[in-house]
Amino acid sequence: GAVVSQHPSWVICKSGTSVKIECRSLDFQATTMFWYRQFPKQSLMLMATSNEGSKATYEQGVEKDKFLINHASLTLSTLTVTSAHPEDSSFYICSATTSGGLYNEQFFGPGTRLTVL
Amino acid sequence: RKEVEQDPGPFNVPEGATVAFNCTYSNSASQSFFWYRQDCRKEPKLLMSVYSSGNEDGRFTAQLNRASQYISLLIRDSKLSDSATYLCVVNGGSQGNLIFGKGTKLSVKP
Repeated sequence: GAVVSQHPSWVICKSGTSVKIECRSLDFQATTMFWYRQFPKQSLMLMATSNEGSKATYEQGVEKDKFLINHASLTLSTLTVTSAHPEDSSFYICSATTSGGLYNEQFFGPGTRLTVL
Repeated sequence: RKEVEQDPGPFNVPEGATVAFNCTYSNSASQSFFWYRQDCRKEPKLLMSVYSSGNEDGRFTAQLNRASQYISLLIRDSKLSDSATYLCVVNGGSQGNLIFGKGTKLSVKP
């Protein structure tokens, strides 16, 4: 089956630092990757949609200058949380799909738990 | 109205019980519907897609009512391993992005 990895699985950082999270599709080419955030006892909230080779599309309320997304290849997307603050502490999950559209299954990475002190 | 609404539970049931979860969605243009399962501190995993005619996968049965914008999941003969949060998921955009409900927590007791 399709496997998506994320690295790191957890990270603790000081306020004001930047953190990069990698999302990789291991056995398929992901034309579209999605980045979600999940706060405790909340639903997954889509942050942005990333298509290989083009700029990410951010959801309303998500600051594109704070959450930098790069999708440079068909197997790798990165999310950089710049100048992280405690309120950015959350569970960040990526998903990937083999092509865009409404019906393709999304394969989720295992998530990255970010704690900002 | 929230885009995808679910009863958060928790549903505490004994092994062997039958339990039903309901979900409503607000976007009448949605075309794809899913139930995902999420274990504590883990990523969501697809349990099953939901088709208009209803579909069954072993002990799990999903139903869709487009007119009422209502989705259901029935779990028969509950197992301890079914304990998890069940997420109702609907596609919400042209790029295939998914909209998740907050989930319904199920706890199956011996």
